[in-house]
Amino acid sequence: DSGVTQTPKHLITATGQRVTLRCSPRSGDLSVYWYQQSLDQGLQFLIQYYNGEERAKGNILERFSAQQFPDLHSELNLSSLELGDSALYFCASSPSSGNQPQHFGDGTRLSIL
Amino acid sequence: KNQVEQSPQSLIILEGKNCTLQCNYTVSPFSNLRWYKQDTGRGPVSLTIMTFSENTKSNGRYTATLDADTKQSSLHITASQLSDSASYICVVSEDNAGNMLTFGGGTRLMVKP
Repeated sequence: DSGVTQTPKHLITATGQRVTLRCSPRSGDLSVYWYQQSLDQGLQFLIQYYNGEERAKGNILERFSAQQFPDLHSELNLSSLELGDSALYFCASSPSSGNQPQHFGDGTRLSIL
Repeated sequence: KNQVEQSPQSLIILEGKNCTLQCNYTVSPFSNLRWYKQDTGRGPVSLTIMTFSENTKSNGRYTATLDADTKQSSLHITASQLSDSASYICVVSEDNAGNMLTFGGGTRLMVKP
């Protein structure tokens, strides 16, 4: 058990809809990272938050947004969903930034019908 | 373009045997290289993190090596067990913040009895 909790585990919705994925980091971890893992691609870094502030952006679409709340949990919002957004979305956390291992949750599997 | 290439894509070995997975990267600048193990349907779990000055790092039966000159890394698994069946992902970080990560496509390892 990594200590990172992601909800929901599975999500099925239709094109054009909006969903929110939730992540609770390990106790004490200030950094939260979001990743997308598609069937035909490896893990893609989306965005990082550190102690409530956006720290880095990767390949995140404009239709996607995220935030980290004062209690350090984070949400990833996906809107105007397309079939290609179907993927596993992982959240990871680490104590701060730097050369520290990131601890991953078990992901949210998003299926767009 | 920064890339991380892993080989082989898949590998089948018998329980108790050793194996070596390869990772070549073109990421620049280089901060650190990480190996993760990902069981099917689970989030990745960190095995090792190596910085530029480290040539080798072990974690139990897993030993990672790094040659920063040739930009190659390997992950050696000793005395394989059935539970080693998983995908092994090589990840290279450009910066100390750990958020500019380039992921390899992974090697899928199956250990058979």
